Amino acid sequence: EIVLTQSPGTLSLSPGERATLSCRASQSVSSSYLAWYQQKPGQAPRLLIYGASRRATGIPDRFSGSGSGTDFTLTISRLEPEDFAVYYCQQYDTSPRTFGQGTNLEIK
Amino acid sequence: QEQLVQSGAEVKKPGASVKVSCKASGYTFTGYYIHWMRQAPGQGLEWMGWVNPNSGDASYAQKFQGRVTVTTDTSISTAYMELTRVGSDDTAVYYCARTRTLSALVDAFHMWGQGTMVTVSS
Repeated sequence: EIVLTQSPGTLSLSPGERATLSCRASQSVSSSYLAWYQQKPGQAPRLLIYGASRRATGIPDRFSGSGSGTDFTLTISRLEPEDFAVYYCQQYDTSPRTFGQGTNLEIK
Repeated sequence: QEQLVQSGAEVKKPGASVKVSCKASGYTFTGYYIHWMRQAPGQGLEWMGWVNPNSGDASYAQKFQGRVTVTTDTSISTAYMELTRVGSDDTAVYYCARTRTLSALVDAFHMWGQGTMVTVSS
């Protein structure tokens, strides 16, 4: 199975700053079948990015995804107060589908 | 609007079975795969399996093989996940989610149910 490792585990930033979250796969993810989700306490995850770089419907353009193969990045260009949450990457290239362990983006 | 609405919280004793439902509305139920995930308290997301509502085909993570069954009832646009022989480590929020693209298995999870808390306690 493909193991996804996210870094850092916790990221402390202030509103207005730029956030860069990393996701590394244990083997290549074909055709960039990599997604990013945001999860707030007590809520279900929300799809942000699919296909490594495509924004899901309704997602603000301050969110962007990049990468291919084994290294992927989620960038939030200017943090808004509502962006502080846990972020997960997920591969849907192979079965079992797997998720990273998450990055907790917290207010500094 | 499109949505998935799950059944309410459950409390089960060790060794029992639990069945969670996921009712779809606002879209063609048979057109999109449904996946099931779970999240233990304070932990990350774990994928359990998928079902194709059009054919009834299903596939499961090896970890859950023999204990989980995912089915659908197309007459009421509802998917079900049944987990047998539960133990304390099955205590988690269970989620259903729908893929993004019509008839696509290899796809991100576009829409999620609200989650169902399953607590296993003696």
